[in-house]
Amino acid sequence: SQELEQSPQSLIVQEGKNLTINCTSSKTLYGLYWYKQKYGEGLIFLMMLQKGGEEKSHEKITAKLDEKKQQSSLHITASQPSHAGIYLCGAGRGSTLGRLYFGRGTQLTVWP
Amino acid sequence: EAGVTQFPSHSVIEKGQTVTLRCDPISGHDNLYWYRRVMGKEIKFLLHFVKESKQDESGMPNNRFLAERTGGTYSTLKVQPAELEDSGVYFCASSQAFEQYFGPGTRLTVT
Repeated sequence: SQELEQSPQSLIVQEGKNLTINCTSSKTLYGLYWYKQKYGEGLIFLMMLQKGGEEKSHEKITAKLDEKKQQSSLHITASQPSHAGIYLCGAGRGSTLGRLYFGRGTQLTVWP
Repeated sequence: EAGVTQFPSHSVIEKGQTVTLRCDPISGHDNLYWYRRVMGKEIKFLLHFVKESKQDESGMPNNRFLAERTGGTYSTLKVQPAELEDSGVYFCASSQAFEQYFGPGTRLTVT
């Protein structure tokens, strides 16, 4: 079974629209990472959340971790074509943050 | 500052051959990780080095995979002999603290 469930699997939105990607686990998350990948490139680190209820923003992207630390959401405001790519959530387990477990990713397409 | 680099970017080999992948982490990062993404599935952890020591190798699929990090700098991942199911993208990541920075990956195709 998958450690992390991401939804939706793919998302097609018009430029300027807002969107949300979700990442859910049945277990407590110790460190929740959001990455973005473009085809043929590595994973670009976006944000990391550790505390329940934590929220971080970078430019037009906001990530939140719920109080129980089992669900995170990534919200993009006023999407642009440059936001297109695959968004991946990853998380650690236990008290130390070593290996990461990943969701399968959300393919985002933004059309002008 | 240079990011994580991986070589080669692509490799196509026949079943039974040997392939060695290389990862150069960000300078000063003690932690180095190998991950793999098989088509259609999520990225999965292979192993974790702290400097030259293997901290966690529980994700290595079998003994055909050998990872080394001599001197605690760059790392190599050797697959010998390669099988069809080894095809995928192999990612390397490095970190000094919690944030893991990933390389572009090596796409391995075993035919």
